[in-house]
Amino acid sequence: GESVGLHLPTLSVQEGDNSIINCAYSNSASDYFIWYKQESGKGPQFIIDIRSNMDKRQGQRVTVLLNKTVKHLSLQIAATQPGDSAVYFCAENRGDYKLSFGAGTTVTVRA
Amino acid sequence: EPEVTQTPSHQVTQMGQEVILRCVPISNHLYFYWYRQILGQKVEFLVSFYNNEISEKSEIFDDQFSVERPDGSNFTLKIRSTKLEDSAMYFCASSVGGSVYEQYFGPGTRLTVT
Repeated sequence: GESVGLHLPTLSVQEGDNSIINCAYSNSASDYFIWYKQESGKGPQFIIDIRSNMDKRQGQRVTVLLNKTVKHLSLQIAATQPGDSAVYFCAENRGDYKLSFGAGTTVTVRA
Repeated sequence: EPEVTQTPSHQVTQMGQEVILRCVPISNHLYFYWYRQILGQKVEFLVSFYNNEISEKSEIFDDQFSVERPDGSNFTLKIRSTKLEDSAMYFCASSVGGSVYEQYFGPGTRLTVT
């Protein structure tokens, strides 16, 4: 079936470096994408979203890129901090009432 | 900042028992959702609710599950006869609008079925 997935289950990054987390999706009908951060024992926390009519969106220290040609979504975190250690999920909405989540990438920040 | 709240944080129940998980969505939100996450796995959609009725449900949301908005603030998920495989984190979420609006998640209820 069609689903949202992530390229790598884990990512280790040096504090202060930039992080890039990738996600591939297969449903070309998806029109809304969100990145969530989940810390241990907590619910998913919204980071940034992007609609399908855009290819880039920036927030505070984060940038989301959408490449509809290859159905690829990425999250870039600038100057990664210890507090960025978490599991990151991409999620898509296909114009209905639910989000479909990918499997998650665990980001570990090394001091 | 307004947030979604859930109670209890942890519920332990015996197989076959009924459980009710409670959520208070953000007050001006109109769409409500339940998701679950089995340990170590991705978040899975269960059901969405709008205007006092189910908008969409997944295959997981079978006849053992039901949702209700008993008053103007609470949103509940009931599992009538729990199974071992129902053990998971259950997240409530809410949003202002439907499909292209951010869903805000609560902290979750950890359900353990023994």
